[in-house]
Amino acid sequence: AQRVTQPEKLLSVFKGAPVELKCNYSYSGSPELFWYVQYSRQRLQLLLRHISRESIKGFTADLNKGETSFHLKKPFAQEEDSAMYYCAPLDSGTYKYIFGTGTRLKVLA
Amino acid sequence: NAGVTQTPKFQVLKTGQSMTLQCAQDMNHNSMYWYRQDPGMGLRLIYYSASEGTTDKGEVPNGYNVSRLNKREFSLRLESAAPSQTSVYFCASSEQEGFGYTFGSGTRLTVV
Repeated sequence: AQRVTQPEKLLSVFKGAPVELKCNYSYSGSPELFWYVQYSRQRLQLLLRHISRESIKGFTADLNKGETSFHLKKPFAQEEDSAMYYCAPLDSGTYKYIFGTGTRLKVLA
Repeated sequence: NAGVTQTPKFQVLKTGQSMTLQCAQDMNHNSMYWYRQDPGMGLRLIYYSASEGTTDKGEVPNGYNVSRLNKREFSLRLESAAPSQTSVYFCASSEQEGFGYTFGSGTRLTVV
């Protein structure tokens, strides 16, 4: 079965420290991968997708096909980055997202 | 531009009651989705509508029905609510399948 794993439920870092939110997937083929974010009292929103190779709010995510990972990274965390982050591979067969269980990032002052 | 609008935002039901969650989008998107979000389980797809006039089951459809009323509106109905359906429900839409989603603000449903 196709699965996505976010091993950390909670990740706490200090402001200015590097951040890496882990995501591993077990998919056949080459899925498209997305990261969604939900800030406190806001709706879930798309953060970035791997095919665009963009940096959004200082975050980047590299697809590592060998390790089947799509970790989200930021070199210097800010307090406003505190949120819930979901990794979401897109199944190329069904065109549906499979959402991970999410990682809550807390950036401490 | 409202994006995706869900109503109501909060609801408490008694076991066995029925209700309909409403969702509307104003972005002319073709595809619409209903998810439920439970602690430790992420978002799970209940039903989706790839395009106007079509609906299909997702991962957890039991106990729910949907209606794609028109291109804008996609409703989720609980015919006989159960405590296991206590959850936060999100509606989302996308230009078409495989594109990024725009989410609604969610409905927090409690079944007692």
